[in-house]
Amino acid sequence: GDSVTQMEGPVTLSEEAFLTINCTYTATGYPSLFWYVQYPGEGLQLLLKATKADDKGSNKGFEATYRKETTSFHLEKGSVQVSDSAVYFCALSANSGYSTLTFGKGTMLLVSP
Amino acid sequence: ETGVTQSPTHLIKTRGQQVTLRCSSQSGHNTVSWYQQALGQGPQFIFQYYREEENGRGNFPPRFSGLQFPNYSSELNVNALELDDSALYLCASREGTGERSYTFGSGTRLTVV
Repeated sequence: GDSVTQMEGPVTLSEEAFLTINCTYTATGYPSLFWYVQYPGEGLQLLLKATKADDKGSNKGFEATYRKETTSFHLEKGSVQVSDSAVYFCALSANSGYSTLTFGKGTMLLVSP
Repeated sequence: ETGVTQSPTHLIKTRGQQVTLRCSSQSGHNTVSWYQQALGQGPQFIFQYYREEENGRGNFPPRFSGLQFPNYSSELNVNALELDDSALYLCASREGTGERSYTFGSGTRLTVV
C-alpha cells in the first residue's frame, strides 16, 4: 500500500538557519504530494503541494520539488523564523479511486531566537 | 468563505460509552473525510463521504461509523469506546471532482477514561 516516510524529529535550529525535512514515499502510479503544518493545539494547514513530477510547490518561503526518480518531496526553507516552530507532515494522495491522504508521522521543528 | 468547523473541541468519555462528533464542511465542498490522529502520530484515514454516500474506508472497525447530510455536514460516531480511541479527530473537506486539496478543521480532542 501507499506510505510516506519522514525524518524523525525534533529538528532544532537557530533563527535564520537553513531547513531541510526529508520525505520519501511509496505509491503506485503518480500521486499528488503535499506538506501540511500543524501548530500547537490546532488542525492541519496546507503549506504547499505538487501534482506531477518536477513540479515545485512553494509558499511562505518554503519549497519542495516532486522528484519521481528518487520518490522524494523534501521540504526546504532558506531562513527559518521562530514562528515556523510547528509539526510538519508530508502526505500523498493517489490520483485514482477516492483519493484520500496518506500521512507520514510528522517532524517537529523547534526554532530558537 | 467559512472553513471547516468541528464540534465539540474537547470531550471526555468513559470506556464503553458512545460518542458523536460533528463537522460542517467548507462552503461548496461535497466530500468529507475523517482522520484519527493519535498523540505524536500522523493522521490515519477513517472514512470518506461523497454526496451522502460512504466511498472509502480505512482500517477501522465497524464501531466507527458516520453520516453525511444533504448540506454536506457530517457526523462521526464511535460505539463502545476504548482507551485507545483517545485521539484528535480531524474532519477535512474538498470539492469532489478533481481538486485534491483538503481543508481541515481544528479537530475534536477525545479523551477516553
